[in-house]
Amino acid sequence: NAGVTQTPKFRVLKTGQSMTLLCAQDMNHEYMYWYRQDPGMGLRLIHYSVGEGTTAKGEVPDGYNVSRLKKQNFLLGLESAAPSQTSVYFCASSYFLREPQHFGDGTRLSIL
Amino acid sequence: ELKVEQNPLFLSMQEGKNYTIYCNYSTTSDRLYWYRQDPGKSLESLFVLLSNGAVKQEGRLMASLDTKARLSTLHITAAVHDLSATYFCAVDSNTGNQFYFGTGTSLTVIP
Repeated sequence: NAGVTQTPKFRVLKTGQSMTLLCAQDMNHEYMYWYRQDPGMGLRLIHYSVGEGTTAKGEVPDGYNVSRLKKQNFLLGLESAAPSQTSVYFCASSYFLREPQHFGDGTRLSIL
Repeated sequence: ELKVEQNPLFLSMQEGKNYTIYCNYSTTSDRLYWYRQDPGKSLESLFVLLSNGAVKQEGRLMASLDTKARLSTLHITAAVHDLSATYFCAVDSNTGNQFYFGTGTSLTVIP
C-alpha cells in the first residue's frame, strides 16, 4: 500500500543549483498536484496535471517546471534554486476531479 | 483569486470541551474539504462537503457547509488528546482545476 511516494524526503541546496523532486503514485490516478507549504500560509498549488502528458499552472508556478511523461509519475523541477523556494513540498493525487486528494509525506527543501 | 480564511489559527483546549473552527472563503464554490495534518506528517482527508447544508460527522468531529454564507464549520465535541493536529479547510474552483487551502488551525488538546 505505497500510495503516493515522494523522493527525496530532505534536501539542502545552494542558491542557483537545480534539482528535481519525484512523485510516484500506484493508485492509477489521473490527477496529480504539487503544493508548497509555508508557515502561516497553508498549502499553495504550484502545478497540476490532469493526465499523462499534460500539465497546467496553479497559484504559484513561477520558478518551477513540471513534467508528466508517465501516468504514475509527476516531476517538479527547480532550474535555479532561490532561498524563497525553501519550503515543504507535497505531492497529491486523485482519481477524479473534485474529490479528496491523497498526499505524499512531503519533501523538506532548504536553499542556502 | 479565491481566498480561504480560518479562525482561530491556534487553539488550545482542555479535554472534554467543545469548540468550533471556522472556515470562510471569498468566492462561490459548492464543494469544501477538511484535512488533518499531524506534526511532520502528510495530510489526511477528513470530509468533503458537496452542497449547501451538507453535514458530515465522524467520531467527535462534525463538519457543515453553508455555501450562501461561504462558511464551513468543524465542530469538536468532548475533545481528546488524539485530536491534537492542524486542521485545514480547502475549496476548489467550480471547474475543479484550482485548489485553495486555508492557513490551518493548530489544535492542542490539553489533558
